Amino acid sequence: AQSVSQHNHHVILSEAASLELGCNYSYGGTVNLFWYVQYPGQHLQLLLKYFSGDPLVKGIKGFEAEFIKSKFSFNLRKPSVQWSDTAEYFCAVNDGGNNRLAFGKGNQVVVIP
Amino acid sequence: GAVVSQHPSWVICKSGTSVKIECRSLDFQATTMFWYRQFPKQSLMLMATSNEGSKATYEQGVEKDKFLINHASLTLSTLTVTSAHPEDSSFYICSAISKETQYFGPGTRLLVL
Repeated sequence: AQSVSQHNHHVILSEAASLELGCNYSYGGTVNLFWYVQYPGQHLQLLLKYFSGDPLVKGIKGFEAEFIKSKFSFNLRKPSVQWSDTAEYFCAVNDGGNNRLAFGKGNQVVVIP
Repeated sequence: GAVVSQHPSWVICKSGTSVKIECRSLDFQATTMFWYRQFPKQSLMLMATSNEGSKATYEQGVEKDKFLINHASLTLSTLTVTSAHPEDSSFYICSAISKETQYFGPGTRLLVL
């Protein structure tokens, strides 16, 4: 079964700092990769996704993620965070032929104004 | 596009009663929907895959007789928690597939007294 690892569950940083959240997965075949964000009191929203093609994916709100196949990683980045980026971020993976998602445990990100 | 709704958003019930939660895809048709459970400060745990017109597929450890799933149309799946007990109190989230991506509902908070 798929497993997804997200480290550093709690991240606290100041506005304008850069953010990088790590995501590693276990499946060795073709994968689809996702980052979802859950703002306080809101539902999960899709930030970005990777299916194929350019391994550097641009998402909403200035986020990007890079798929590195050799490292089984799909790290999320934002060069300069804002207070409004305070949220929980989840990495999710499914194998190419199956829509069932495996989620990481999430990163709770708090941005201090 | 790709909006998923859930109803109700909150439900409080007495132990032993049954609770039905609806999941609707508002602007697209979804042959497949998913039901998740999210515990506080934890990730989403997939409970079952809901397939339109056929039986749901349950994840290991999920009691199918306790969590009844009906996917009667291309826009509606329901989860019924039968004979609910306090340990069933949780946040239940559904998602629906559109173009190989899961879009999530806002969730239903269930509290069983």
